[in-house]
Amino acid sequence: EDQVTQSPEALRLQEGESSSLNCSYTVSGLRGLFWYRQDPGKGPEFLFTLYSAGEEKEKERLKATLTKKESFLHITAPKPEDSATYLCAVQPNTGGFKTIFGAGTRLFVKA
Amino acid sequence: GAVVSQHPSWVICKSGTSVKIECRSLDFQATTMFWYRQFPKQSLMLMATSNEGSKATYEQGVEKDKFLINHASLTLSTLTVTSAHPEDSSFYICSASFWTAKNTEAFFGQGTRLTVV
Repeated sequence: EDQVTQSPEALRLQEGESSSLNCSYTVSGLRGLFWYRQDPGKGPEFLFTLYSAGEEKEKERLKATLTKKESFLHITAPKPEDSATYLCAVQPNTGGFKTIFGAGTRLFVKA
Repeated sequence: GAVVSQHPSWVICKSGTSVKIECRSLDFQATTMFWYRQFPKQSLMLMATSNEGSKATYEQGVEKDKFLINHASLTLSTLTVTSAHPEDSSFYICSASFWTAKNTEAFFGQGTRLTVV
């Protein structure tokens, strides 16, 4: 069964304290792995797509990496405005666009 | 990125009435649209997948007669919650995808907060 597990559930950081969020996945065949940011009461905002192991993508203070079993979202020197829930999702290559989401990591960055 | 607009952003309705939520892709034609439901502090739960001009495919446990989905055009999908009850209160989110050689990204609407009283 295709599955996505994110850890930790919640993460509290001081401003400037770098850390990583984990996304472990099992899928029969991976078409793509996605990272989204979701603010309270809003829809998810697209961050990255990763397609194959070894791939990395960066955007401002965020960097996403991918292995065959997991993905990491590294946050360097976070700021309070980075506080949000970060969602990881996988899309199996079994046809269509069905996407399976993890439960998310709630990030709190304190000034 | 592509823009998906969802309307309304919030709605309050009386128990037993029906509510329609619209999802529009504003600057692209969406091959496929998805409807999700999200409970507080939980992730997105896929309810159904819809392709333009065909019947929606519902996930196991989702009542197709209660959650009516219409995907009449490549830019519009609607979700109608029929005979709403308080337990239907939730955050509903749509997403839209289009197919290119490699791009499989989905773009999300802003979500609709439904409260049934």
